[in-house]
Amino acid sequence: QVQLVQSGAEVKKPGASVKVSCKASGYTFTSYYMHWVRQAPGQGLEWMGIINPSGGSTSYAQKFQGRVTMTRDTSTSTVYMELSSLRSEDTAVYYCARGPLRNYMDVWGKGTTVTVSS
Amino acid sequence: QSALTQPASVSGSPGQSITISCTGTSSDVGGYNYVSWYQQHPGKAPKLMIYDVSKRPSGVSNRFSGSKSGNTASLTISGLQAEDEADYYCSSYTSIVVFGGGTKLTVL
Repeated sequence: QVQLVQSGAEVKKPGASVKVSCKASGYTFTSYYMHWVRQAPGQGLEWMGIINPSGGSTSYAQKFQGRVTMTRDTSTSTVYMELSSLRSEDTAVYYCARGPLRNYMDVWGKGTTVTVSS
Repeated sequence: QSALTQPASVSGSPGQSITISCTGTSSDVGGYNYVSWYQQHPGKAPKLMIYDVSKRPSGVSNRFSGSKSGNTASLTISGLQAEDEADYYCSSYTSIVVFGGGTKLTVL
């Protein structure tokens, strides 16, 4: 079955970087986009960006431009999301989500909790 | 790009129908048939319920339906059940994805 398995929870200090992984299985990795969406505690969903695992092209939300990098490793069917210069407002659950097309997400990972605290 | 506008909360009794609205602009909701709806139970990942305004993924109950009129999209849930109690988010795609603020559905 289609699965997205994300890496475990992280605790980081302000100013540090975090790299979250999302390993895909059960489908052809390069045939679907991968989105990253985050959700701060008690808040709504916030789209961060998208990567095309086929060629590696990316598109980021303006809010995260310059701070986020999405990459992929086709040999392990894994995508990565790295967020730098962390601040307390980045404390959130980070989800990867598969996109058959760029406009929607049909399968979601369980989420990775990132806590930014001094 | 601004978030789409959803009511903070809606409620209904079992068996009733409810509708959640999602208002954008002619540049997003009104301009493209790329509206999606997601259901999220507490502590869980979101689940796709509707895509491309009115298409239902395999496995999603036909009690869930989507529509659009002008700059406002709507999610209707008929025959309300206790398990439908959750947060619901709409999203729209232009060249980026924008979510609504979310609506908490309470089944009375």
